[in-house]
Amino acid sequence: GAVVSQHPSWVICKSGTSVKIECRSLDFQATTMFWYRQFPKQSLMLMATSNEGSKATYEQGVEKDKFLINHASLTLSTLTVTSAHPEDSSFYICSARVGQRREQYFGPGTRLTVT
Amino acid sequence: GQQLNQSPQSMFIQEGEDVSMNCTSSSIFNTWLWYKQDPGEGPVLLIALYKAGELTSNGRLTAQFGITRKDSFLNISASIPCDVGIYFCAGRDTGTASKLTFGTGTRLQVTL
Repeated sequence: GAVVSQHPSWVICKSGTSVKIECRSLDFQATTMFWYRQFPKQSLMLMATSNEGSKATYEQGVEKDKFLINHASLTLSTLTVTSAHPEDSSFYICSARVGQRREQYFGPGTRLTVT
Repeated sequence: GQQLNQSPQSMFIQEGEDVSMNCTSSSIFNTWLWYKQDPGEGPVLLIALYKAGELTSNGRLTAQFGITRKDSFLNISASIPCDVGIYFCAGRDTGTASKLTFGTGTRLQVTL
């Protein structure tokens, strides 16, 4: 149980285009999901908290108009990187909160490369 | 954002050796978690600790929740090559909507 998937696993896009990343909880419902970004050889940094049926809560310094989050169902949250630039190249990882103790289980990540 | 300090930053050990790493914070946390991340993959939850002083094992892994609630330790006994990876601690305060604060990571490499 508690399997989280992400799609795509990797994507290369041109500067100025938008990219959508999906995060799905496969065997449970998740009212809350989280989006992280990880640069090479660094730790995970929380970008935003995604709540089903309501607006996402963004961490300080994260542009909400650039990183659009939609959590329209209990099993799917999406992150859209709009007008991507090379500095947005990173490893994007989602997690979902599970169970009574609300542990976070992570997806396999999506590597985004902007050329 | 805030990060927790992990030490050591990296370590090279021989197969069969025991490993110890720790995580410290300037803030109190109500839950400590330890994750392992392999290259190009998401973190995998290893151990969760919910109470100060708690000692929990998962196979060859043992973790402890520090009495001060500002630190945690992870030990790996009899290391094997598959233990290679980056280990992250994470603290959670129930007052912050269950958000996790991650440590800086400990990179473990095991030589035969």
